[in-house]
Amino acid sequence: GEDVEQSLFLSVREGDSSVINCTYTDSSSTYLYWYKQEPGAGLQLLTYIFSNMDMKQDQRLTVLLNKKDKHLSLRIADTQTGDSAIYFCAAPKGSARQLTFGSGTQLTVLP
Amino acid sequence: DVKVTQSSRYLVKRTGEKVFLECVQDMDHENMFWYRQDPGLGLRLIYFSYDVKMKEKGDIPEGYSVSREKKERFSLILESASTNQTSMYLCASSFSKGGLTRSGAPLHFGNGTRLTVT
Repeated sequence: GEDVEQSLFLSVREGDSSVINCTYTDSSSTYLYWYKQEPGAGLQLLTYIFSNMDMKQDQRLTVLLNKKDKHLSLRIADTQTGDSAIYFCAAPKGSARQLTFGSGTQLTVLP
Repeated sequence: DVKVTQSSRYLVKRTGEKVFLECVQDMDHENMFWYRQDPGLGLRLIYFSYDVKMKEKGDIPEGYSVSREKKERFSLILESASTNQTSMYLCASSFSKGGLTRSGAPLHFGNGTRLTVT
């Protein structure tokens, strides 16, 4: 089955760039997702990338996809304290009605 | 905006009680999901449903059941709550256009129910 892995913690200084990494196993994945979870809230869709793309940019967010290595990354430029949250990588699984989520990366932005 | 509403933010129940967690979405989505979230384990799928009265087991269905009598409502039932079911429960919904991946339809989440079983 699908397996999605990401590191648990990342700390950066305010104004620096953050890079959150994710690896997945299912080579048939067509869409890959990044979700953000702020304290006490549910998950909100941050961005997604289709598997025929290498890169997608949306304002301060850049998603890079290396299909050969099954590696996905989320770069946040000029990281702000409001970016402190848990970030989840997710990939479709099986019948594609489901998503498999990584364990989440807790991003802490230091002043 | 899609709204997924979970009936309770916090719930405290005793071991052995029957517990109902309710979820309602207002966007006529076909698919609905129940996940539980535990530190270091991410989200794990309990059950999902892609139509009224339809249900499929996720990765960790043991100890849970679900009900989907109406399209907008998906209930998670803990038949006899146990302490290892203390967790954050997240409901989500999505629409289908030939399948989630082909449409790129994202999951929309509720704010979660933090359940404590004592």
